[in-house]
Amino acid sequence: GNSVTQMEGPVTLSEEAFLTINCTYTATGYPSLFWYVQYPGEGLQLLLKATKADDKGSNKGFEATYRKETTSFHLEKGSVQVSDSAVYFCALTRGSYNTDKLIFGTGTRLQVFP
Amino acid sequence: NAGVTQTPKFRVLKTGQSMTLLCAQDMNHEYMYWYRQDPGMGLRLIHYSVGEGTTAKGEVPDGYNVSRLKKQNFLLGLESAAPSQTSVYFCASSRQVGETQYFGPGTRLLVL
Repeated sequence: GNSVTQMEGPVTLSEEAFLTINCTYTATGYPSLFWYVQYPGEGLQLLLKATKADDKGSNKGFEATYRKETTSFHLEKGSVQVSDSAVYFCALTRGSYNTDKLIFGTGTRLQVFP
Repeated sequence: NAGVTQTPKFRVLKTGQSMTLLCAQDMNHEYMYWYRQDPGMGLRLIHYSVGEGTTAKGEVPDGYNVSRLKKQNFLLGLESAAPSQTSVYFCASSRQVGETQYFGPGTRLLVL
C-alpha cells in the first residue's frame, strides 16, 4: 500500500544551522508530495508541494525536491530560525477520480534554540 | 474569511457519552475530511465527503459517524465514546481533487 516514512525526531538545532528532514515514500504510480507544518497549538498548514518528478517545492526558505529514483522528498532549509520550531509532516496523495486522501508520515519535531 | 473553524476546542467525556464535533468552512470547498492525530502515528483519515449529502469511510471509521447536510458544514459524531477515542481531531477541506487541503485548528478530546 501507499505509505510515508519520516525520520524520527526531535531534531534539535541552533539558530542559523542547516536543516534536513528525511522523507521517503512508497506508492504506485505518480503521487503528489507535500510538506505540512504544525506550529504549537495550531492546525496543519501546507508548507510546500510537488506534483511530479524533479519538481522542487519551495516556501519560506524551505525546499524539497521530488526524487522518483530514490522515492524521496527531503525537506531542507539553509538557515533555521527559532520561529521554525514546529512539527513537520510529509504526506502524499494518490487520489482516485473523486478524492485526494492524504497519507501522512508520523511527523518530525524540530526544536531550534537561539 | 475565517477558513476552516472547529468547535469545540476542547472537551472531556465519560465513557459511553455521545458528542458531535462541528467543522465549518467558508471557502465553498467541495471536499471535507475528518482526521485524528495520535502521538507517533501522524494523522489518519476517519471519514470524508466529496460534496453536500455525501460521506465515505476513511482509514479508521469505526465508532464514528458523519453528516454533510450543508456544503459548508461537516459533522463528526461519537455515539458512545471510548477511551481509545482520546485524540486530537482535525477537519480539513479542499476545492477539488489534488488541490491543497486547509486544516482547522483542531479539537482536543479526552475520554475518561
